[in-house]
Amino acid sequence: DAMVIQNPRYQVTQFGKPVTLSCSQTLNHNVMYWYQQKSSQAPKLLFHYYDKDFNNEADTPDNFQSRRPNTSFCFLDIRSPGLGDAAMYLCATKIGRRNEQFFGPGTRLTVL
Amino acid sequence: DQQVKQNSPSLSVQEGRISILNCDYTNSMFDYFLWYKKYPAEGPTFLISISSIKDKNEDGRFTVFLNKSAKHLSLHIVPSQPGDSAVYFCAASDGGGADGLTFGKGTHLIIQP
Repeated sequence: DAMVIQNPRYQVTQFGKPVTLSCSQTLNHNVMYWYQQKSSQAPKLLFHYYDKDFNNEADTPDNFQSRRPNTSFCFLDIRSPGLGDAAMYLCATKIGRRNEQFFGPGTRLTVL
Repeated sequence: DQQVKQNSPSLSVQEGRISILNCDYTNSMFDYFLWYKKYPAEGPTFLISISSIKDKNEDGRFTVFLNKSAKHLSLHIVPSQPGDSAVYFCAASDGGGADGLTFGKGTHLIIQP
């Protein structure tokens, strides 16, 4: 009964070649998040959606974009991936009344 | 500048003993704190949380303590079991709305038989 699904689990792209990561949720929650986690680092929030309202973190590079065509789906687009963008990308939605977040399994991005 | 710090990258504990994971924060606006557990190749799994109006929250083998004056929280696991071996992340939020979480770098807990 997966509640947050991320596809693909592993993605390999070439330097500069656009890539899209996909996330879907079955909780029908109005909030979705994208985090980036580099090796041995803390997960870092890139942006979140509250319904269709897009909220970008101040230090998220312009290279990262997102789309949310409906409540269930959210996409992360990396327009020109650099070697430094290799990371685990985590999608999450909210559960509970407070800010408990439920994470998907992540997509491991490799940039060659 | 890290607002949530986990200063121990790893911790080794014998099975059956108590595991204590520590976390410090600097942002006074944080009012909700969470612990997540992460296995390799999986996303973080929510474990337990605590509001800043409390100083303790317990759920089975897991207890979280919050010391607001020291801006410190800790997660106690007792007794520790082999399945507890994982990376534990401390996270914090302010306002409780739709804002994202601020995470620490994690502590790798290893339970030895």
